[in-house]
Amino acid sequence: DTGVSQDPRHKITKRGQNVTFRCDPISEHNRLYWYRQTLGQGPEFLTYFQNEAQLEKSRLLSDRFSAERPKGSFSTLEIQRTEQGDSAMYLCASSFTGTLTQETQYFGPGTRLLVL
Amino acid sequence: AQSVSQHNHHVILSEAASLELGCNYSYGGTVNLFWYVQYPGQHLQLLLKYFSGDPLVKGIKGFEAEFIKSKFSFNLRKPSVQWSDTAEYFCAVLNTGFQKLVFGTGTRLLVSP
Repeated sequence: DTGVSQDPRHKITKRGQNVTFRCDPISEHNRLYWYRQTLGQGPEFLTYFQNEAQLEKSRLLSDRFSAERPKGSFSTLEIQRTEQGDSAMYLCASSFTGTLTQETQYFGPGTRLLVL
Repeated sequence: AQSVSQHNHHVILSEAASLELGCNYSYGGTVNLFWYVQYPGQHLQLLLKYFSGDPLVKGIKGFEAEFIKSKFSFNLRKPSVQWSDTAEYFCAVLNTGFQKLVFGTGTRLLVSP
């Protein structure tokens, strides 16, 4: 399977703990996105990378959240001092931007986080 | 800021019925439009997309959508649904020059056999 992969698929943690999620994009995709989806809502944008550069962060991304894409391939999303409100599905997507402005984002299966 | 409205939150249809799901967005300009589908237990998959050209676009599994710029709409249609179309459908908009997709809240479709 050459799609976007995410690990772990499920995470249960206690409030106050730190968690880290990993995303592996489709090979050769230069853009990588993180979204968050809560029950009954569509995905909401958190941040995105072009290669290793983080180019935009949503106001949803508090200072407890940090994302990296150190070598322009996989990415990690860390949440420090988790709160119950962080419980959600965290989605990763990737895309390739060439010379055209047309871009399609392909999504991974997500990591479902439950904070107790 | 861009917002996307999907007015039908839940739709129940019998097999062979026709489907139309509404999608409206708030902010004009040049837009790229998408419908994604999430089947039970699976991840978001691209159903169809519009970038430019013919406003009637065809996607997988017999779905199509029509972009009506004057109405800021991109409604999804299928002439005859099947039980296997049971899923959640998300409309998403990307304004060119901005990289983030803005999603609607989704429509849950249940097709009864």
